[in-house]
Amino acid sequence: AQSVSQHNHHVILSEAASLELGCNYSYGGTVNLFWYVQYPGQHLQLLLKYFSGDPLVKGIKGFEAEFIKSKFSFNLRKPSVQWSDTAEYFCAVNAREGGFKTIFGAGTRLFVKA
Amino acid sequence: EPEVTQTPSHQVTQMGQEVILRCVPISNHLYFYWYRQILGQKVEFLVSFYNNEISEKSEIFDDQFSVERPDGSNFTLKIRSTKLEDSAMYFCASRLLLPAVIFGPGTRLTVT
Repeated sequence: AQSVSQHNHHVILSEAASLELGCNYSYGGTVNLFWYVQYPGQHLQLLLKYFSGDPLVKGIKGFEAEFIKSKFSFNLRKPSVQWSDTAEYFCAVNAREGGFKTIFGAGTRLFVKA
Repeated sequence: EPEVTQTPSHQVTQMGQEVILRCVPISNHLYFYWYRQILGQKVEFLVSFYNNEISEKSEIFDDQFSVERPDGSNFTLKIRSTKLEDSAMYFCASRLLLPAVIFGPGTRLTVT
């Protein structure tokens, strides 16, 4: 069975600081990886996804993530955060063998100080 | 851009009552899902639905839960006799063929 762990539950940064949120997954087969963002009071939005190919994927709003297969990791990065990035970020994984049932990590709550 | 829609946005019900949460997935999508998120916790898979039947369900999805796709557009989640612990945000989601699942805005269910 797949599982996802996110290293930080709460992160506080000042504007313009760089962001890296850790995500590790556990599954031996081929996986698809996702980061979703949930802004306060809003629904889950897909930030970026990795299916195959270039392990460095770029998403919306300046976010990117790097898939490192040997480390089972898919960390999310942004060089310079803004106050509007305050949100909860969920790493997620699915696989064909699981019927593409998406499994979520516990989430990382990011607060960006203006 | 196509969206998954859900109604109502907030549902308050008394313990023991039946509720039906409604979703309209993206029109050409084939796979449908319900997830829930208890306040402060992670998003949990409830059930997946394809070709008019349940593909997979989690341990949470017990006999009190059921899903239906009564027509070509709606996808509903019914909870027969709600419990306090059913209070959560319920997300409907759908996908076509690619693995990326698109989520609706959620229905906040409050059981009193």
